Amino acid sequence: QVQLQESGPGLVKPSETLSLTCVVSGYSISSGYYWGWIRQPPGKGLEWIGSIYHSGSTYHNPSLKSRVTISVDTSKNQFSLKLSSVTAADTAMYYCARVEYSTSLAPWGQGTLVTVSS
Amino acid sequence: EIVLTQSPGTLSLSPGERATLSCRASQSVSSGYLAWYQQKPGQAPRLLIYSASSRATGIPDRFSGSGSGTDFTLTITRLEPEDFAVYYCQQYGSSPLFSFGQGTKLEIK
Repeated sequence: QVQLQESGPGLVKPSETLSLTCVVSGYSISSGYYWGWIRQPPGKGLEWIGSIYHSGSTYHNPSLKSRVTISVDTSKNQFSLKLSSVTAADTAMYYCARVEYSTSLAPWGQGTLVTVSS
Repeated sequence: EIVLTQSPGTLSLSPGERATLSCRASQSVSSGYLAWYQQKPGQAPRLLIYSASSRATGIPDRFSGSGSGTDFTLTITRLEPEDFAVYYCQQYGSSPLFSFGQGTKLEIK
């Protein structure tokens, strides 16, 4: 079955760029589906960051759009997130997921915690 | 921007009881594109229901969803010990494309 695994630095300094990768196994990204990033600050709720198709077409949350870059590498079967000019408010568990049934998110990766601190 | 409000914030019930969780949207949800997720401590969310009332693959039939427009409900009949968790609703279609409610914690009484 399809599985997703996030990876990247667990600690990022304020004003720098957060970079994460989601590797997909059990399914070829080139075959279809949108893929997305979601985050969850400690003890809080969920926030959708953005989604990407294998063609590179993207959708972003307007609240983050100016800082977010989402890209896809079909040769490595992975997609990536870059979030620039981070602050402590960007400290969160970051999840990747597939957009399932066109309108929901499943499955999810296990998540990776990113802390923004000097 | 569409806002999803879940109630109650915390629901205290015993195993075997019936749970009713509410999700109210500030405007009509496009084509009933509302989903429900379950999240246990230290785990990623798991999709339970999509398009308001369709169960995702592998989800037990004690979970059911209903509603349309701005009012949606997740019902869990005969609570099992593993059902105690936080539940989120999520809409698709309005800006932002995906947005979530603040969650309902279902705890053991």
